[in-house]
Amino acid sequence: DQQVKQNSPSLSVQEGRISILNCDYTNSMFDYFLWYKKYPAEGPTFLISISSIKDKNEDGRFTVFLNKSAKHLSLHIVPSQPGDSAVYFCAATLSGGYQKVTFGTGTKLQVIP
Amino acid sequence: GAGVSQSPSNKVTEKGKDVELRCDPISGHTALYWYRQRLGQGLEFLIYFQGNSAPDKSGLPSDRFSAERTGESVSTLTIQRTQQEDSAVYLCASSLGGASGNNEQFFGPGTRLTVL
Repeated sequence: DQQVKQNSPSLSVQEGRISILNCDYTNSMFDYFLWYKKYPAEGPTFLISISSIKDKNEDGRFTVFLNKSAKHLSLHIVPSQPGDSAVYFCAATLSGGYQKVTFGTGTKLQVIP
Repeated sequence: GAGVSQSPSNKVTEKGKDVELRCDPISGHTALYWYRQRLGQGLEFLIYFQGNSAPDKSGLPSDRFSAERTGESVSTLTIQRTQQEDSAVYLCASSLGGASGNNEQFFGPGTRLTVL
């Protein structure tokens, strides 16, 4: 049972344009969401997160939007840069003491110069 | 170093052999996780340690898999009688944990296991 889904395995975007990566979840108990970026041969690194009390969180070129009613979140990268080319994982968890995190299957983003 | 370290970085073994993978979390992180990523797949949760609580082993795929953690330090993931389908990158992550802990996980570089 895949509780966190990233339905697009890959995405190609021109440099300078917006990249939009989507994520859906099924467990309505999730209240904290994270995005991780992974380069080949490296472990994932934390990118940005959002609590369910918010619907938007922005950090530089990266913005995460959360639609709780739709159980959907998205990561926007503007403007996209070639160095953003990586696999992006969406993750969800329950805030508080028990912190098991459920990851999606990832979306491979390619930013074309 | 300040990050999560894992060893070995690569391991090639023959089918049926046992392997042991090691993870050194960030000092002070009470939570430690093991994940597996098979080729072309996402991150598959294996096991989660939180302080002195009983670990969450719900992701271990079979009884050939086990993991131990000494206190809040090093963890080892052991795979007995390895099979070819065990070939994957095994990732370890740690986080601050605790009741008001930060959910952000810091990952190690992974161990690439190849079972011939």
